[in-house]
Amino acid sequence: DTAVSQTPKYLVTQMGNDKSIKCEQNLGHDTMYWYKQDSKKFLKIMFSYNNKELIINETVPNRFSPKSPDKAHLNLHINSLELGDSAVYFCASSRHGAPQPQHFGDGTRLSIL
Amino acid sequence: TQLLEQSPQFLSIQEGENLTVYCNSSSVFSSLQWYRQEPGEGPVLLVTVVTGGEVKKLKRLTFQFGDARKDSSLHITAAQPGDTGLYLCAGWDLTGTASKLTFGTGTRLQVTL
Repeated sequence: DTAVSQTPKYLVTQMGNDKSIKCEQNLGHDTMYWYKQDSKKFLKIMFSYNNKELIINETVPNRFSPKSPDKAHLNLHINSLELGDSAVYFCASSRHGAPQPQHFGDGTRLSIL
Repeated sequence: TQLLEQSPQFLSIQEGENLTVYCNSSSVFSSLQWYRQEPGEGPVLLVTVVTGGEVKKLKRLTFQFGDARKDSSLHITAAQPGDTGLYLCAGWDLTGTASKLTFGTGTRLQVTL
């Protein structure tokens, strides 16, 4: 059973388009995250939701809009895609608080042409 | 912004050799985790250290948290090809309105036969 699943795994699109990435976890966790991993493998948090409420927004451009319809889902919508958005985006989940283990999905590789 | 610098960035060794990876910061973290990431997958938690000076062992891997909780090390004894991957340290930051995980710059390890 996949614990944290995100779709699609690959996303190739042109500049200016709008795209969404979906994430679901079946671990019963109440906190979910979006991370961005750049070409140098640096992993940086973008957003964190706890019980469907946004608790962390790391100065991400407002072209990125996360949405959590319920505790098990956290989707990421990106408007007006730019070249610099090319990266691997990871969804993760955990129980609330530190230092809980974070469980990651396998990532979505976004390539902007 | 808290930064975690890892060294070395890249390490290529032969099976059976020992190695140490360092994770350093000028900031204090409440706890620190080590993750391993393999190509095409998300990071997977290896260990969490909480107390300054704490040492934890996971088979051939030994993790240490610095006394001042600003640094950590990962020592691998008799490395095997299965140890190949990207090793990421990550510190828990509790200073903001919500706890968040700050990842290190990463160490890519390749173990050859």
